Amino acid sequence: GNSVTQMEGPVTLSEEAFLTINCTYTATGYPSLFWYVQYPGEGLQLLLKATKADDKGSNKGFEATYRKETTSFHLEKGSVQVSDSAVYFCALMNYGGSQGNLIFGKGTKLSVKP
Amino acid sequence: NAGVTQTPKFQVLKTGQSMTLQCAQDMNHEYMSWYRQDPGMGLRLIHYSVGAGITDQGEVPNGYNVSRSTTEDFPLRLLSAAPSQTSVYFCASSYSSSGGRELFFGEGSRLTVL
Repeated sequence: GNSVTQMEGPVTLSEEAFLTINCTYTATGYPSLFWYVQYPGEGLQLLLKATKADDKGSNKGFEATYRKETTSFHLEKGSVQVSDSAVYFCALMNYGGSQGNLIFGKGTKLSVKP
Repeated sequence: NAGVTQTPKFQVLKTGQSMTLQCAQDMNHEYMSWYRQDPGMGLRLIHYSVGAGITDQGEVPNGYNVSRSTTEDFPLRLLSAAPSQTSVYFCASSYSSSGGRELFFGEGSRLTVL
């Protein structure tokens, strides 16, 4: 079946530190991969996505590259800010019909200290 | 543009009571879904719909009913609430059920069952 495994948190960093949150997946075929972010008290919102192997998604200084050979989609940011404190979810979606649903990892809570 | 609207935001029930969580979207999206979020579990799919009159079960459907009589609305019904249904519930929608698309989430409904 399809599944997503991401590093467990919480992760605590100082402002301007480098961030990596690991994500690996198991899926049939060629899924699309996503990172969603949940700020305190809010719903989830799309941070970035990649729909095929070797694609790089990027947004707000965050990046992730779809690596088919290692079945990974690690999230990185070169210099985090206090405002990046949130829970980050890695997710996959296969194509169409009953497979066209998002499958989430368990989430990684990031806290950034000034 | 309201996006995805969930009501109520907070609810406390006693075991055995029934209630309906409302979800409405104003983006003319075909696809709608309900997730529950529990600590350490990420988000798990309860039910989803690929269009008016069509619903299907997700990963954790037991104890929940849904219907989709209009494109805009996708209510989630708890017929006899149990403490195990204490959770935060998110409704999400997208323009289609094809792969690679973004899901738009509501702000969540926090339910406590005593």
